[in-house]
Amino acid sequence: NAGVTQTPKFRVLKTGQSMTLLCAQDMNHEYMYWYRQDPGMGLRLIHYSVGEGTTAKGEVPDGYNVSRLKKQNFLLGLESAAPSQTSVYFCASSYSWAGFPEYEQYFGPGTRLTVT
Amino acid sequence: KNEVEQSPQNLTAQEGEFITINCSYSVGISALHWLQQHPGGGIVSLFMLSSGKKKHGRLIATINIQEKHSSLHITASHPRDSAVYICAVRYSGGGADGLTFGKGTHLIIQP
Repeated sequence: NAGVTQTPKFRVLKTGQSMTLLCAQDMNHEYMYWYRQDPGMGLRLIHYSVGEGTTAKGEVPDGYNVSRLKKQNFLLGLESAAPSQTSVYFCASSYSWAGFPEYEQYFGPGTRLTVT
Repeated sequence: KNEVEQSPQNLTAQEGEFITINCSYSVGISALHWLQQHPGGGIVSLFMLSSGKKKHGRLIATINIQEKHSSLHITASHPRDSAVYICAVRYSGGGADGLTFGKGTHLIIQP
């Protein structure tokens, strides 16, 4: 199993450009998450999904959109990139049972995004 | 906003030492996670616990629900244990979005 993969690993954008980050998991997990990690701060949840076709906002959703058209994929979009979105982005997935999300989260390797 | 506090922020120790990293939180939780972030950036889940104690190899995690405190211990530490250790909690009543993360403890084990 590949686990959780992220594409791309690195990206440099100019202010105002758009891009999509792809997260894929092969563990048949229902729950998927997008986090950002900034220096001196803990991981912060951007958006999450509890199943195919469903998405919800996390702690810091502004400036991002997401889609979960297939169970194994979770896409994070930046419509108009800003320097404040320079960060490392992590995708994660987890199993759930009866809607109970409390299982370990499996993380992707991260995407380092710089917006100039 | 409910906080997760970790201590120490930075820890440097000699190979073989017993290591303790602490995590405290402010209100009731349903679960606590310990994660390890390698120098290359990858994040791995070490433990998830809601009570008592768990052990995996040289790693031990404990939680005291009444005191709202958890500890991660590393016995016979080794340079390969050098990493950032992150505590995260799911507050009671929190849904799938409910993990709150600490800022991490940066551990360096010197040979």
